[in-house]
Amino acid sequence: EIVLTQSPGTLSLSPGERATLSCRASQSVSSTYLAWYQQKPGQAPRLLIYGASSRATGIPDRFSGSGSGTDFTLTISRLEPEDFAVYYCQQYGSSPYTFGQGTKLEIK
Amino acid sequence: QVQLQESGPGLVKPSQTLSLTCTVSGGSITSSSYYWSWIRQPAGRGLEWIGRIHTSGYGSTNYNPSLQSRVTISADTSKNQLSLKLSSVTAADTAVYYCARVVDTPMETKFDPWGQGTLVTVSS
Repeated sequence: EIVLTQSPGTLSLSPGERATLSCRASQSVSSTYLAWYQQKPGQAPRLLIYGASSRATGIPDRFSGSGSGTDFTLTISRLEPEDFAVYYCQQYGSSPYTFGQGTKLEIK
Repeated sequence: QVQLQESGPGLVKPSQTLSLTCTVSGGSITSSSYYWSWIRQPAGRGLEWIGRIHTSGYGSTNYNPSLQSRVTISADTSKNQLSLKLSSVTAADTAVYYCARVVDTPMETKFDPWGQGTLVTVSS
């Protein structure tokens, strides 16, 4: 099983700042099968990025994904108030598919 | 626009079988470009993939080994529905359960969309 470790656990930033979230895999993941989700309280996860760097439909271009192999990054270039949420990475190239434990992005 | 809606009992007794349905609207579950997954999330915790079913062809399934002995995912193509059954439940199975479509084409692979989720509590 591929273990995904996200860091930091909590990230405290202000609106307008840049956020950098990390996802490290215990073994190599094909970029095709790496996704990022945003989840707000009481809501289902919302797909942001798939294929490591492709934005999902309707996702603002301030969200970007990068990385390969075992190290992946989600960057939010300028934080908007609605971006404060929990973010998960997911790999779905190797069964069982797995998720990271999440990074909580909170307002500083 | 495809939409997914989970439904089922919100309360299940320990040792019984949890049964949920995911109704898909706005598209067919039998397209060869898609398969369908169930994911769960205990309150305040992270996401756990339960398993998947590919409804075209032989309806192949694949389960998380941590749940494989207790889980069955199936499809009713006449009703455009997926189902999840989890047997011998305990309090540890209390969670919000989501179904999701997985787009699987040469151009892209992604879990999108997801249903809104349904909370299942295991308690006597």
